[in-house]
Amino acid sequence: EPEVTQTPSHQVTQMGQEVILRCVPISNHLYFYWYRQILGQKVEFLVSFYNNEISEKSEIFDDQFSVERPDGSNFTLKIRSTKLEDSAMYFCASSDDRDREESASTDTQYFGPGTRLTVL
Amino acid sequence: AQTVTQSQPEMSVQEAETVTLSCTYDTSENNYYLFWYKQPPSRQMILVIRQEAYKQQNATENRFSVNFQKAAKSFSLKISDSQLGDTAMYFCAFMGYNTDKLIFGTGTRLQVFP
Repeated sequence: EPEVTQTPSHQVTQMGQEVILRCVPISNHLYFYWYRQILGQKVEFLVSFYNNEISEKSEIFDDQFSVERPDGSNFTLKIRSTKLEDSAMYFCASSDDRDREESASTDTQYFGPGTRLTVL
Repeated sequence: AQTVTQSQPEMSVQEAETVTLSCTYDTSENNYYLFWYKQPPSRQMILVIRQEAYKQQNATENRFSVNFQKAAKSFSLKISDSQLGDTAMYFCAFMGYNTDKLIFGTGTRLQVFP
């Protein structure tokens, strides 16, 4: 069964450094997402991405964050200058295409295993 | 703003028994979606079951079923005939009709004992 994959599984970085977290969504999916989970807290939505542009983002997703689909398979999350409070588990997810006009349903988001980011 | 509350941080159940995990949510929307995701130790989250708010019938998937009470804004998950492989963190999640954003609860850690 196809799965979302993420690399690396654990990233350690110094405060102020840039990090890029990588995700390979399921191949025929067209909607992509990033979520994060700070230790002991809820999983929080960061951003959704469709047709090469951000479709929705949360208040957390400020100018320090950016997303990109550099090729036909990868989906990346960049944090330009990491802060201590960026330490968290970052989850990528993807979902299939759907036509909102014709369908009252929404497609399931399939999650990757996560990247644990530790900012020192 | 929508919120999702899971009031049981941890639950345990004996193999073959039935367990119910609670979830309540708050929204002013009439149409929305509700989900239960399972995250086994060191594994990714996978969808267990989903419910469209406009459907009155409770969703079922094999041993998993929900009790969806729209007026009470309650969405509990019942696991029948619990198996050791059901040991996992279970997250309840809400999605509004015109958004792709999942809003998660804090999760319930379920341990199934032999």
